[in-house]
Amino acid sequence: QKEVEQDPGPLSVPEGAIVSLNCTYSNSAFQYFMWYRQYSRKGPELLMYTYSSGNKEDGRFTAQVDKSSKYISLFIRDSQPSDSATYLCAMSGTTTDSWGKLQFGAGTQVVVTP
Amino acid sequence: DAGVTQSPTHLIKTRGQQVTLRCSPISGHKSVSWYQQVLGQGPQFIFQYYEKEERGRGNFPDRFSARQFPNYSSELNVNALLLGDSALYLCASSTRASGTDTQYFGPGTRLTVL
Repeated sequence: QKEVEQDPGPLSVPEGAIVSLNCTYSNSAFQYFMWYRQYSRKGPELLMYTYSSGNKEDGRFTAQVDKSSKYISLFIRDSQPSDSATYLCAMSGTTTDSWGKLQFGAGTQVVVTP
Repeated sequence: DAGVTQSPTHLIKTRGQQVTLRCSPISGHKSVSWYQQVLGQGPQFIFQYYEKEERGRGNFPDRFSARQFPNYSSELNVNALLLGDSALYLCASSTRASGTDTQYFGPGTRLTVL
């Protein structure tokens, strides 16, 4: 079983809709949670960074972390065709042997149609 | 400000050959991490270096090695290439090597092994 599970999609939504993405994980030591966006054949770009449980909002993006359920989410409001990309969740722990070692999900491909 | 840079952009090798990939971190960042991303999957952690010392190693064979130079740039070496080594190799830099430091990714080097 993978430490981080993410539905690969594709997830197709019409322009203006809310995109809902999520990941589940099994390692209770994870404390730092990130969402990256990756366009085809490019490097991942950091979108959101959250420590421990709670919500964080940045513009059209909202990240939620529920450590009790080992479940994280990313919501994109008012989606645009330029949001079409693969979205990767990533997480890391606090022990010295896990610092800097990001565990990624497989990524969800999102397609926003005009 | 320049982001993380990687060279070369693309590389084609044959089985059994050796390859060296290069990474220059963001100015002021002292930690460099390497990841392998196979098509359709999330990045997998290979190494992390901080202040020229190895701080973490993923589950990769000894054919993979890396080093960090005094100017904090880094090289990833892969010996005895296999077809399965074909992937996008990503370099990420951060200020330090702790979980609180976000990692910023370069565009990657796409390696094809024939």
